[in-house]
Amino acid sequence: AQSVAQPEDQVNVAEGNPLTVKCTYSVSGNPYLFWYVQYPNRGLQFLLKYITGDNLVKGSYGFEAEFNKSQTSFHLKKPSALVSDSALYFCAVRDELDGDFNKFYFGSGTKLNVKP
Amino acid sequence: DAGVIQSPRHEVTEMGQEVTLRCKPISGHDYLFWYRQTMMRGLELLIYFNNNVPIDDSGMPEDRFSAKMPNASFSTLKIQPSEPRDSAVYFCASSLGSSHEQYFGPGTRLTVT
Repeated sequence: AQSVAQPEDQVNVAEGNPLTVKCTYSVSGNPYLFWYVQYPNRGLQFLLKYITGDNLVKGSYGFEAEFNKSQTSFHLKKPSALVSDSALYFCAVRDELDGDFNKFYFGSGTKLNVKP
Repeated sequence: DAGVIQSPRHEVTEMGQEVTLRCKPISGHDYLFWYRQTMMRGLELLIYFNNNVPIDDSGMPEDRFSAKMPNASFSTLKIQPSEPRDSAVYFCASSLGSSHEQYFGPGTRLTVT
């Protein structure tokens, strides 16, 4: 069965420091992996995706994520956090071998707090 | 493009009343998804359409919920009768064919008292 785990409910980081938001997944086939960000009272916004190719994916607002097949992880990273990065972050996966490939499986979300 | 449009943004209703949520997907997108977000259950897929046809409604909680997509530019999610446990934020999202990412609307915050 497909699943996504975001082990941290909340991540706290000081502005200017690097940040990491963790995500691990479980799928039957090759994963299609995504990160979304949700600001208060807003819908989810697409940040980046991994489909195939280079394991390091660059996305919007200076975020990047690294696909690690052996660890089944897709952690979101940013070299230098901004206060404006404070939001709720969701990891999602689609399973290449899922009978219903159109379905996304979302993690529970990680709240990122960046303090000045 | 204006993105995915949802209305109303906020809805407060009394238990037992009918509630209709509306969504206009991004023009040209052929997939439309309805999600519900709560603190307890996170983000849940309720139903999705492809070319206006419902493909998977296994996430619809019960018969009180129904969704329609009469044309490519409009979808509704109806709850009748509504109950306090239906209180949540309901999101509509759309995507294009083989494109991989979904684009979300701003959501409708539903409160049933």
